[in-house]
Amino acid sequence: GEDVEQSLFLSVREGDSSVINCTYTDSSSTYLYWYKQEPGAGLQLLTYIFSNMDMKQDQRLTVLLNKKDKHLSLRIADTQTGDSAIYFCAESLLMFSGGYNKLIFGAGTRLAVHP
Amino acid sequence: KAGVTQTPRYLIKTRGQQVTLSCSPISGHRSVSWYQQTPGQGLQFLFEYFSETQRNKGNFPGRFSGRQFSNSRSEMNVSTLELGDSALYLCASSLTGTGKMNTEAFFGQGTRLTVV
Repeated sequence: GEDVEQSLFLSVREGDSSVINCTYTDSSSTYLYWYKQEPGAGLQLLTYIFSNMDMKQDQRLTVLLNKKDKHLSLRIADTQTGDSAIYFCAESLLMFSGGYNKLIFGAGTRLAVHP
Repeated sequence: KAGVTQTPRYLIKTRGQQVTLSCSPISGHRSVSWYQQTPGQGLQFLFEYFSETQRNKGNFPGRFSGRQFSNSRSEMNVSTLELGDSALYLCASSLTGTGKMNTEAFFGQGTRLTVV
């Protein structure tokens, strides 16, 4: 089935690390994505990981993928107030019949950073 | 290059009316997807268009429809509006929707629809 789940809220202190978790159900996912949505804006791609990778690091962002458990996480080091936003996890499913990919999004995790 | 443009940004309609939202994708992108975002339901997929054809559809009633023009611009229409249709409607474009780079979706800022 197609389902992506995330916790809805996360509150962290400025300077600490944030870890946002996501689980997905379809093992045929090719790519997994993290998008960020700031207030009043659309979604912005933060980073992605290919399904045959375990980890990807990009500056303050670390993505961990446990394919066996279908678990994806996004770690933000040294979290700043500007990181306050909604973070969406998404999986890309290859639709074999059509040869194209379909993106399935989670409900989003609202990250609040406090001083 | 210009990003994804959605118009209008804000809209207020009354119950029973219909509404048309517009999305202009990034130049060269042929895939346009529409999503409904509400606080309670999160981001729900409406439909995807590619080369003027709808190739994927979410679980929304028939009141929600869309189309894509030859220049890849897309419109979505909601007829007989209900209070529950109040939401942020997001449009995303991608090159073709296949493969890694082509799957990356670029989002517009959305149209905030309020039904009263």
